[in-house]
Amino acid sequence: EAGVAQSPRYKIIEKRQSVAFWCNPISGHATLYWYQQILGQGPKLLIQFQNNGVVDDSQLPKDRFSAERLKGVDSTLKIQPAKLEDSAVYLCASSPQAGLAKNIQYFGAGTRLSVL
Amino acid sequence: KNQVEQSPQSLIILEGKNCTLQCNYTVSPFSNLRWYKQDTGRGPVSLTIMTFSENTKSNGRYTATLDADTKQSSLHITASQLSDSASYICVVSLYGNKLVFGAGTILRVKS
Repeated sequence: EAGVAQSPRYKIIEKRQSVAFWCNPISGHATLYWYQQILGQGPKLLIQFQNNGVVDDSQLPKDRFSAERLKGVDSTLKIQPAKLEDSAVYLCASSPQAGLAKNIQYFGAGTRLSVL
Repeated sequence: KNQVEQSPQSLIILEGKNCTLQCNYTVSPFSNLRWYKQDTGRGPVSLTIMTFSENTKSNGRYTATLDADTKQSSLHITASQLSDSASYICVVSLYGNKLVFGAGTILRVKS
């Protein structure tokens, strides 16, 4: 089965520019997650979708970050404008269904963002 | 505050040797504990999942243990291989499937 696809793999931008990341989850997975992983740290959840609805966006910096999953399948994460501290790997994950005790999240390879 | 602490921060071992990674957590309410392996430049991949009633779970050369009373877990790697070089992340799941990630232990296996 195909895994979680993310693009681009790498992105370099200057501060105050905008950037967008794309994620295509595993087919049939209802739940989609975006994580931010700063070097040397574990991933931090930014937003969780259940189908096309937002379940948790409590840690999303909404003044500059936005995400959508309009048709309940693929998703985009946007940063506008970017700051130096946004340099990180942005991971997308999907899982069959939220709420199951052993619901496994499958991760994509991530997009490495460098803000100069 | 829900926290997951891992030790050591990094570890270097010789190929063929065993090693044990540690994880302490203060997460509550606890649903299950997971160990993930993250290769450089890749996303994390699930190795084991244990609920509070399970105190050991194996996946090939990887064996995870859980002591829910002391809120400690360990990941033991037997007969290490060069391909085991990666970051190993301890993740605790709250009810509702919210995950709390540790910072990871970076393991390097040398020949």
